[in-house]
Amino acid sequence: AQTVTQSQPEMSVQEAETVTLSCTYDTSENNYYLFWYKQPPSRQMILVIRQEAYKQQNATENRFSVNFQKAAKSFSLKISDSQLGDTAMYFCAFMDTGRRALTFGSGTRLQVQP
Amino acid sequence: EPEVTQTPSHQVTQMGQEVILRCVPISNHLYFYWYRQILGQKVEFLVSFYNNEISEKSEIFDDQFSVERPDGSNFTLKIRSTKLEDSAMYFCATAKARSSYEQYFGPGTRLTVT
Repeated sequence: AQTVTQSQPEMSVQEAETVTLSCTYDTSENNYYLFWYKQPPSRQMILVIRQEAYKQQNATENRFSVNFQKAAKSFSLKISDSQLGDTAMYFCAFMDTGRRALTFGSGTRLQVQP
Repeated sequence: EPEVTQTPSHQVTQMGQEVILRCVPISNHLYFYWYRQILGQKVEFLVSFYNNEISEKSEIFDDQFSVERPDGSNFTLKIRSTKLEDSAMYFCATAKARSSYEQYFGPGTRLTVT
């Protein structure tokens, strides 16, 4: 069974600065997908960024980028130029190619300070 | 932008009662999921549903749970006889196709069993 671990329950960053959220996972699969989801207060989860395990190049979406280290089973999220609207719970999630069920980490609550 | 909606936002019920949680998927989406999050714990997969059949279910999804799409629009999760430990946030998610890795989440229904 896959497991996803987020070791930082809470983080804080100043507006305009950069923050990195950590995620590690455990799987015996070779092909899979990794995701970061954002859940703002009282709002639904939305997908921030996705990484396919077969791609060596790290995914980027505007101010969001990942550092995917397949051998280390690590998948961190970097948020550059943090904005107040980035304040949210961030979930790392895993999906293997044979299933469509997401396995989530416990989440990191990010607070962006003005 | 189309969104997944869920009703009610909060449901309080007594132990042993039946509850039905409702989800309205995005209109052209074909895959549906239920997840739950017990307070302070991880988001957990319950069940996936496609073409009026369960595609996959977790060990949490026992005989007390059922899902259906009664009228071609709503997607429902029924808990037949609620227990205290069923208290959780229940999230519906939908995807356009099986090959779509992005799942769109609803805002959740908070179920409180007393």
